[in-house]
Amino acid sequence: QVQLVQSGAEVKKPGASVKVSCKASGYTFTGYYMHWVRQAPGQGLEWMGWINPSSGGTNYAQKFQGRVTMTRDTSISTAYMELSRLRSDDTAVYYCARESKDVWGKGATVTVSS
Amino acid sequence: QAVVTQEPSLTVSPGGTVTLTCGSSTGAVTSGHYPYWFQQKPGQAPRTLISDTRNKYSWTPARFSGSLLGGKAALTLSGAQPEDEAEYYCLLSYSDARWVFGGGTKLTVL
Repeated sequence: QVQLVQSGAEVKKPGASVKVSCKASGYTFTGYYMHWVRQAPGQGLEWMGWINPSSGGTNYAQKFQGRVTMTRDTSISTAYMELSRLRSDDTAVYYCARESKDVWGKGATVTVSS
Repeated sequence: QAVVTQEPSLTVSPGGTVTLTCGSSTGAVTSGHYPYWFQQKPGQAPRTLISDTRNKYSWTPARFSGSLLGGKAALTLSGAQPEDEAEYYCLLSYSDARWVFGGGTKLTVL
């Protein structure tokens, strides 16, 4: 079946970087943009950007430009989201979601704490 | 950047009907914003209920319906069940495939 499997929880120190993965299965990975969305504890959903797995092209939300990098490895149908210069307010669950919005990963918890 | 607005909270009685709305700071919401609605329960990923204003998925309970109402996207729940208590988010798409989520509506069935 169609699914997105994300990497596990991470704990990072302020100033560090984190890289979250999202492995797609059950469909043609290059056929759909992959979006990244995050949710801080007790807060709403926040769109971070997308990557076109076919071309590698990206579009980031203005808030994250300069700190986020989305990449992909088509050989293993996996998308990545790397966030740098982490701050405590980056503590959140990070989701990947297919462009069609009907398939979401279960989320990867990133905790930023000294 | 556009701001998408939702009611922060709503309460509905079991078996009752409630309408959640989704507005845009840029003006009227149209089908061109491809409104989506998601349901999220604590500790779970969002689950997509409605696509492109009014289309349902195979897993969408029949009691949920989507529409455009008074310049906003709307999600109507008719015959609320206790299991419908959740946070509901709308999503509008803008130029260049950018997504903007509403702040969410906490729906209480009481």
